[in-house]
Amino acid sequence: DIVMTQGALPNPVPSGESVSITCRSSKSLLYSDGKTYLNWYLQRPGQSPQLLIYWMSTRASGVSDRFSGSGSGTDFTLKISGVEAEDVGVYYCQQGLEFPLTFGSGTKLEIK
Amino acid sequence: EVQLVETGGGLVQPGNSLKLSCATSGFTFSTAWMNWIRQTPGKRLEWLAQIEDKSNNYFISYLESVKGRFTISRDDSKSSVYLQMNNLKEEDTAIYYCRAITTVARGVMDAWGQGASVTVSS
Repeated sequence: DIVMTQGALPNPVPSGESVSITCRSSKSLLYSDGKTYLNWYLQRPGQSPQLLIYWMSTRASGVSDRFSGSGSGTDFTLKISGVEAEDVGVYYCQQGLEFPLTFGSGTKLEIK
Repeated sequence: EVQLVETGGGLVQPGNSLKLSCATSGFTFSTAWMNWIRQTPGKRLEWLAQIEDKSNNYFISYLESVKGRFTISRDDSKSSVYLQMNNLKEEDTAIYYCRAITTVARGVMDAWGQGASVTVSS
């Protein structure tokens, strides 16, 4: 199985500061179609996860352009430019390359 | 508005069965790939199963550890997906989410329900 490993944040983060959340996969997520099958989700307190980024760098519909995704085949970054109160929650990366689909353990964002 | 609503959760004794349902609306269900994903009490997300659409012959994939105990199915006429869970174990205690994935004009739609709580305990 592909193992997804996420980094931690130095919480709490001051409002307005930019942060980067890291995720590493145990296997390249770059497929032969040229897409990298890496998703980012945000789970706000008391809610279900919502998709932020797919194919490593494509923002989902309705997602603020403060969120951006980048990376290589195995190392990925979700950048939040100017964190706001509504960004609080747990961020998960997920690989969609092969079964079983697997998630990272999550990165918690707190804001002060 | 896209909606997914899970029902059928509850408290069940080890060894017993439970069937979860997920009713959907607001998107073209028949072309969506449907997933079940659970979140453990420790907040870990675990993908369980996927059923693809008719054009892909309703291809099904399972997490190895639930294969043979859990069965995913769908009814396109009811825009619903199901998860039959047999021989439940205490470690199956979790919030169970259904997820819909489909392509839309603006890219990919990936939507989750609010979750159904399943507690396996004697």
